[in-house]
Amino acid sequence: GAVVSQHPSWVICKSGTSVKIECRSLDFQATTMFWYRQFPKQSLMLMATSNEGSKATYEQGVEKDKFLINHASLTLSTLTVTSAHPEDSSFYICSARTGSAYNEQFFGPGTRLTVL
Amino acid sequence: EDQVTQSPEALRLQEGESSSLNCSYTVSGLRGLFWYRQDPGKGPEFLFTLYSAGEEKEKERLKATLTKKESFLHITAPKPEDSATYLCAVQAGAALIFGKGTTLSVSS
Repeated sequence: GAVVSQHPSWVICKSGTSVKIECRSLDFQATTMFWYRQFPKQSLMLMATSNEGSKATYEQGVEKDKFLINHASLTLSTLTVTSAHPEDSSFYICSARTGSAYNEQFFGPGTRLTVL
Repeated sequence: EDQVTQSPEALRLQEGESSSLNCSYTVSGLRGLFWYRQDPGKGPEFLFTLYSAGEEKEKERLKATLTKKESFLHITAPKPEDSATYLCAVQAGAALIFGKGTTLSVSS
């Protein structure tokens, strides 16, 4: 149980284009989903937290107009990187949590974004 | 400021050579301490949750313990397949705060 999927697993795009990444909880309903970014040899940095049907809460320094998050249902959240630039190239990982805020988060396999 | 520090950054072991990884934390109001394993190019895989000092949890060759200031991940008789980066995270509020991880390499 507690499986989280992401799609695509990797994407290459041109500078200025937009990219959408999907995150799905396959066997449980996620009341809260999280989006992280991880640079090489660095730890995970939380970008935003989203609850189903509500606007996402962004961490300080994360541009909400650039990283659009939609949590459309209890099993699906999407992250859209708008007008991507090379500095947005990174490993994006989502996680999902069910029920209590004390519960563990389960992570997706990640999406490698490369912007040319 | 909430903070998580892991040591060592990297650890090389021979197969069967037991050791421990450290995670020290400073957080106001600990709601849980989590250990994850991350393989290269993959998302973190959940290992353990610890909630209170004195608590211990085990899974195969891994054992996690918790005190009021730090947590240890003990690896007993490791195998090459245990090679990975081990991440520690604490829950402060709604968010997880991650340490930078310990990269473990086990050679046969």
